[in-house]
Amino acid sequence: AQSVTQPDIHITVSEGASLELRCNYSYGATPYLFWYVQSPGQGLQLLLKYFSGDTLVQGIKGFEAEFKRSQSSFNLRKPSVHWSDAAEYFCAVVHGSSNTGKLIFGQGTTLQVKP
Amino acid sequence: DTGVSQDPRHKITKRGQNVTFRCDPISEHNRLYWYRQTLGQGPEFLTYFQNEAQLEKSRLLSDRFSAERPKGSFSTLEIQRTEQGDSAMYLCASKGNTEAFFGQGTRLTVV
Repeated sequence: AQSVTQPDIHITVSEGASLELRCNYSYGATPYLFWYVQSPGQGLQLLLKYFSGDTLVQGIKGFEAEFKRSQSSFNLRKPSVHWSDAAEYFCAVVHGSSNTGKLIFGQGTTLQVKP
Repeated sequence: DTGVSQDPRHKITKRGQNVTFRCDPISEHNRLYWYRQTLGQGPEFLTYFQNEAQLEKSRLLSDRFSAERPKGSFSTLEIQRTEQGDSAMYLCASKGNTEAFFGQGTRLTVV
């Protein structure tokens, strides 16, 4: 069955430091991959997506992610974290065996930013 | 259009009561999804509509849950005889040709 794993439940970084959030997926074919961000009590906002082509994708708010097929990974990065980046981050993959476009999410990574 | 909207944002209900949530998708999107998110977890798929047709339901959607999308526009999710285990954030999303856009969710608390 398809799955998404985010190994880090909680990450704390200092403001201005670089950030990498890990995501591993399980899927046989080329996946459609997404990163969403969720602030407390809010819905999900799309940061970036990968469908095909260039494996390094740029998103909003200075985020980028790299698709690595050999490692089944789609890690999210940001060179310099801002205090406003503190939130919960979810990696997701489109479920491949149905044509519904439904998403399978990882458990999420909570990002805390220290001043 | 300002995106996907959900109403209410918060609902507190007593165990055993019925509740109904509404989702208004982005107007040109024909696909609509309901997800449930419990504390500390990622959203889990509940059900999917293409236009007015409900095409898929998760095993998570017990017979106490029903969803509709009359005329392929807004959607409602009803939970009958609520239980404490139903306490969660209920998220609606709509999708056009590419990615899904999420509403801000309805936080349900069953006391």
